[in-house]
Order: sequence, then structure tokens, then C-alpha cells
Amino acid sequence: GNSVTQMEGPVTLSEEAFLTINCTYTATGYPSLFWYVQYPGEGLQLLLKATKADDKGSNKGFEATYRKETTSFHLEKGSVQVSDSAVYFCALSAVTGANSKLTFGKGITLSVRP
Amino acid sequence: EPEVTQTPSHQVTQMGQEVILRCVPISNHLYFYWYRQILGQKVEFLVSFYNNEISEKSEIFDDQFSVERPDGSNFTLKIRSTKLEDSAMYFCASSVGGRLMNTEAFFGQGTRLTVV
Repeated sequence: GNSVTQMEGPVTLSEEAFLTINCTYTATGYPSLFWYVQYPGEGLQLLLKATKADDKGSNKGFEATYRKETTSFHLEKGSVQVSDSAVYFCALSAVTGANSKLTFGKGITLSVRP
Repeated sequence: EPEVTQTPSHQVTQMGQEVILRCVPISNHLYFYWYRQILGQKVEFLVSFYNNEISEKSEIFDDQFSVERPDGSNFTLKIRSTKLEDSAMYFCASSVGGRLMNTEAFFGQGTRLTVV
């Protein structure tokens, strides 16, 4: 079946540090890949997505590249801000078969210090 | 900006009781979902709902669970005879379309259910 594995957290960084959050996946078919973010007291929000191999999703300074050869979708940001403190979830949706659901990882909490 | 709203934000219930978790999806959305996250574990898919019927459900979604769209705006998850292991954060979501490569699922802020 489909699954998503995220690196263990939490992660604490100083403002302006470089961020990498690892995500790998296992899927049948050709999944679409997503990063969702949950700010304190809010729902999950789509941060970025990629729908095919070598696609790069980007938003708010965050980037992730769909790597089929390594089955990865690592999230990166060159310079984090305090306002980026949140929980980050990697997810996939299979293109074939059950396309109506997301398979999530555990999520990782990012805290950014001033 | 339109948003998915869930009530209550936190519900405490006694084991064996029935609970109803409520969600108001975005008004022009056609697909509705429930997910849950047990503390420290992954967010898990429970069920998807379209055209007034369940389109897919996970093995977690057994006879203890049911969903309903009682009117044109609410989408509810009912858990009969709650168990301790039902304690989790429950997320409602909705989307315009069903293929998530082409559309976005919007999530509510979650209801934290605690079964004591």
C-alpha cells in the first residue's frame, strides 16, 4: 500500500537558518505529492504540490522537488522566519485507483527562534 | 476567504457514549472527507463522501462510525459507543473535485476528541 515517511522531529532552528525536512514515499502508480502546513490553532493548509517526476513545487519561499529515482519530496527553505513555526505534513495522493484521499506522514514540528 | 469550520474544538466524552463531530465544508465543494490523527501518529484517512454517499472508506471506518450530510451545509461524523482508542484529533476536509492532483483539499482546524 501507499505510505509516507517523514524525518523525526521536532526541529528547532534560529531565524535565517536553512531548512530541510525529509520525506520519502512508497506508492503504486504515479502519485501526486504534497506538503501541508498547520499553524497553531488553524487547519491544515496546502503549502505546495508536485504532480509528476522532476516537478518542483514552490510557495512562500519553500520548495520541494519530486524525485522518482529516490522516491523523495524533501522540503527546503533557504532562510526561515519565526512565522514559519508550524507543523509540516508530507502527503501523497495516488493517481490510479483511489484518487480521492491523501496518505500523510506523521508531521514534524518546526520551531524558529528569533 | 472561505474556510472549513469544525465544532466543537474539543470534546470530552465517557467511554461507551455516542459523539457527533460537526463540520461545515466550503459551500461550493462537492467532496467531503474525515481524517484523524492519534497523538504521535500519522494523519489517517477515514472516509470520503460524494453525492450523498460514501465513495471510499478505510478499514478504520467500521460499523462504529457513520457520516451524514443532514442538510445542505453540515457534514457530520458520528461515533457510536466510543472507546478509549478513539481519542484523537479529527479533521474534516472538502474539495471541489475528487482528483487531488487537480484540486485542493481544504481542512478544518480539527476537533480534539478525548474519551475517558
